[in-house]
Amino acid sequence: DVKVTQSSRYLVKRTGEKVFLECVQDMDHENMFWYRQDPGLGLRLIYFSYDVKMKEKGDIPEGYSVSREKKERFSLILESASTNQTSMYLCASSSNMGWGAMNTEAFFGQGTRLTVV
Amino acid sequence: TQLLEQSPQFLSIQEGENLTVYCNSSSVFSSLQWYRQEPGEGPVLLVTVVTGGEVKKLKRLTFQFGDARKDSSLHITAAQPGDTGLYLCAKGGKLIFGQGTELSVKP
Repeated sequence: DVKVTQSSRYLVKRTGEKVFLECVQDMDHENMFWYRQDPGLGLRLIYFSYDVKMKEKGDIPEGYSVSREKKERFSLILESASTNQTSMYLCASSSNMGWGAMNTEAFFGQGTRLTVV
Repeated sequence: TQLLEQSPQFLSIQEGENLTVYCNSSSVFSSLQWYRQEPGEGPVLLVTVVTGGEVKKLKRLTFQFGDARKDSSLHITAAQPGDTGLYLCAKGGKLIFGQGTELSVKP
């Protein structure tokens, strides 16, 4: 059974704190993604990684950074949490096998609901 | 900037009705995916379409990719309460999503 696991389902942090969201996949996938989901806006891509130590900015990278030191783990870092970063955060992974064909399936974690107070 | 525009944003219907959800863009895509997300869960892939004009069926769900590969539609026949959820289209590869269609099917 394939799995993408996010470390926390719910998280409450204070403004200004440094926040780490962890994601682990057990499918040996090359690609990993971080999204935030807000009502009416769908999923917006923050960062993605196509290999260890490789990363590219998505549509909304401001205020976030990422780390991929191992293939199975992709971390999202909020350097100084702000209230406008209160959201649902979703991690996903996919195989690079079909990257050129653009049709590989992405598998998602259950999400981390982050509240910044 | 939303690369993919979905419509309608919300849809509330009675069990047994038919419905169509649209996903449009000004760009040409090599492939397009449809995902469904239930509350408290991550999205799950329903289908990938890659060829212009392609039609795929998944039980009561019919997916179509436009001839020009700029748009797609999802048609549900005889909707059931179990179809309730958020339907998302996504550009394949880098996975850029539309804003989603929230479907509610009432018994």
